[in-house]
Amino acid sequence: DIQMTQSPSSVSASVGDRVTITCRASQGISTWLAWYQQRPGKAPKLLIYDASSLQSGVPSRFSGSGSGTDFTLTISSLQPEDFASYFCQQSNSFPPTFGQGTRLEIK
Amino acid sequence: QVQVVQSGAEVKKPGASVRLSCKPTGYSFTSHYLHWLRHVPGQGLEWMGVIDPSGGSTTFAQNFRGRVTMTTDTSTSTVYMELSSLRSDDTAVYYCGRGRLRGTIMDYFDYWGQGALVTVSS
Repeated sequence: DIQMTQSPSSVSASVGDRVTITCRASQGISTWLAWYQQRPGKAPKLLIYDASSLQSGVPSRFSGSGSGTDFTLTISSLQPEDFASYFCQQSNSFPPTFGQGTRLEIK
Repeated sequence: QVQVVQSGAEVKKPGASVRLSCKPTGYSFTSHYLHWLRHVPGQGLEWMGVIDPSGGSTTFAQNFRGRVTMTTDTSTSTVYMELSSLRSDDTAVYYCGRGRLRGTIMDYFDYWGQGALVTVSS
């Protein structure tokens, strides 16, 4: 199985900050990568697919980049509702696998 | 709008089975595969398998083969996941997620159910 490693595991930031989360695949996955947001007690929400495509309805402050093994999720200007957990998922090789998550906390 | 509604929390003893349901609404039930995933406390999400709601064909992750069954009921637009021989390390939140595309197992998940906590404890 492809291992997905996220960093950092947690990050503290303030409203208005720019935050970047990284995800590394144990082997190349082209751009077959998604990012999800999960607020406590809620279902995950798809933010980005195919590494950089914004899911419908997701604010443009979210962006994704990367290909091969290294990927990033950037939130350009944090809003209060962005404090949540984020995780990546690859869909290049069976089975789909996920990163362990990054918790974004208020500083 | 698309919604995915799952059945509620369950408490089971080791060795028992659990059956969870997943009912999506707001789109044609047979048009998108439905996936089951779980989130074990302190670990990442784990993909369990997928079912084609129209024909009932399934594909499972290696870790769950022989222990998981997924079925579809087109009359009620509901899919079911049954996990048998439960162990304490099966304690997790189980999610049903809709595949974003049509007709592909390898996919992203664009709508998720609310999750169902399954607790396995003697």
